[in-house]
Amino acid sequence: DAGVTQSPTHLIKTRGQQVTLRCSPKSGHDTVSWYQQALGQGPQFIFQYYEEEERQRGNFPDRFSGHQFPNYSSELNVNALLLGDSALYLCASSKTGLFGYTFGSGTRLTVV
Amino acid sequence: AQKVTQAQTEISVVEKEDVTLDCVYETRDTTYYLFWYKQPPSGELVFLIRRNSFDEQNEISGRYSWNFQKSTSSFNFTITASQVVDSAVYFCALMGTGTASKLTFGTGTRLQVTL
Repeated sequence: DAGVTQSPTHLIKTRGQQVTLRCSPKSGHDTVSWYQQALGQGPQFIFQYYEEEERQRGNFPDRFSGHQFPNYSSELNVNALLLGDSALYLCASSKTGLFGYTFGSGTRLTVV
Repeated sequence: AQKVTQAQTEISVVEKEDVTLDCVYETRDTTYYLFWYKQPPSGELVFLIRRNSFDEQNEISGRYSWNFQKSTSSFNFTITASQVVDSAVYFCALMGTGTASKLTFGTGTRLQVTL
């Protein structure tokens, strides 16, 4: 049973560029949440998608946007990258109504 | 607003020692859930335990045990007879019962177990 799959695993981008990160949820899960984890910090909630809609958003600017597809997979887009966007981006999937979250191994984004 | 505090930034122990990781939380929700996750160098967050706010029973799972005390808003985690494989960053997290049920994490405690 595959868990949460994220791609790519590592990425280096230049300031001002745009990036797209991808997440495939665990089989049977329909909800996807994205978290940003800066070095030495705990993960911070970015947003959550359910039924292809953004259900809740954390304290992140509009440069961060997302999408969920009919097969429940999800993308995280970040525009106009800043050096401070360098972090590990974690995707977590869950089944609505249940409180079990499965995390992927993350995408490490470096902005130079 | 919800908040999780893990005051211990880093702990170093020698193998076979017992170690306790502290977690203090703040929430206005009457129903909430508390979690512990382990993050090895690979980056993936590994689920260890979930506790709801109505269940204050302590739990033991092998070498791991958890002490939930609502009166002090604490949810501490103890590893008995630590092993080198326990070396990782451990996160305590809180989830309310809002629509999205997001997790609020502490800043983590890095545990280093040496021989």
